Amino acid sequence: GENVEQHPSTLSVQEGDSAVIKCTYSDSASNYFPWYKQELGKGPQLIIDIRSNVGEKKDQRIAVTLNKTAKHFSLHITETQPEDSAVYFCAASDDNNAGNMLTFGGGTRLMVKP
Amino acid sequence: NAGVTQTPKFQVLKTGQSMTLQCAQDMNHEYMSWYRQDPGMGLRLIHYSVGAGITDQGEVPNGYNVSRSTTEDFPLRLLSAAPSQTSVYFCASSYTAVSGGELFFGEGSRLTVL
Repeated sequence: GENVEQHPSTLSVQEGDSAVIKCTYSDSASNYFPWYKQELGKGPQLIIDIRSNVGEKKDQRIAVTLNKTAKHFSLHITETQPEDSAVYFCAASDDNNAGNMLTFGGGTRLMVKP
Repeated sequence: NAGVTQTPKFQVLKTGQSMTLQCAQDMNHEYMSWYRQDPGMGLRLIHYSVGAGITDQGEVPNGYNVSRSTTEDFPLRLLSAAPSQTSVYFCASSYTAVSGGELFFGEGSRLTVL
């Protein structure tokens, strides 16, 4: 089955700096890569996703890049703000999976210091 | 619009007790699933359902049962609780039952087994 590794497990940045979280996956058939943000006491929420036919996708201060050859993808947050502090999860799935099954990485706790 | 509702939010059990975590969604979503979240291990899929009357096992199904008698409800049953089942449980649903649909999560149920 799929295995998703996520690094770093914790990340502390100053407000206004950029943050990068990296994930690698094992199954070359995976073709959908979402990122979820989990605020304290809440369930995860989708913030951005990318499919394997695209190398990069941006949404305001958030961007995701995908390198299919190397089987890794990354989340980039620019101009970080205190409200970006949360746990971020990457995930992967492929169309051959039954249902809408996602394999998640272990999570990254991002702390943005004012 | 309530989205995905989980009850209870907190529960303490003794080893060997049984209980049911409730999950309901009001979005007419086809797909529902249960994940458990443990520190450093991300979210792991327990069971999922692609529609009423259809359920299947995820990555970590042992010790858990599910049923899907209606589109709206997807309860998770622990038949004989064990300390290893201490975790935070999340129910998630999506409109589509195939890969690539956004998952909507509940706020979680924190279970402690003594």
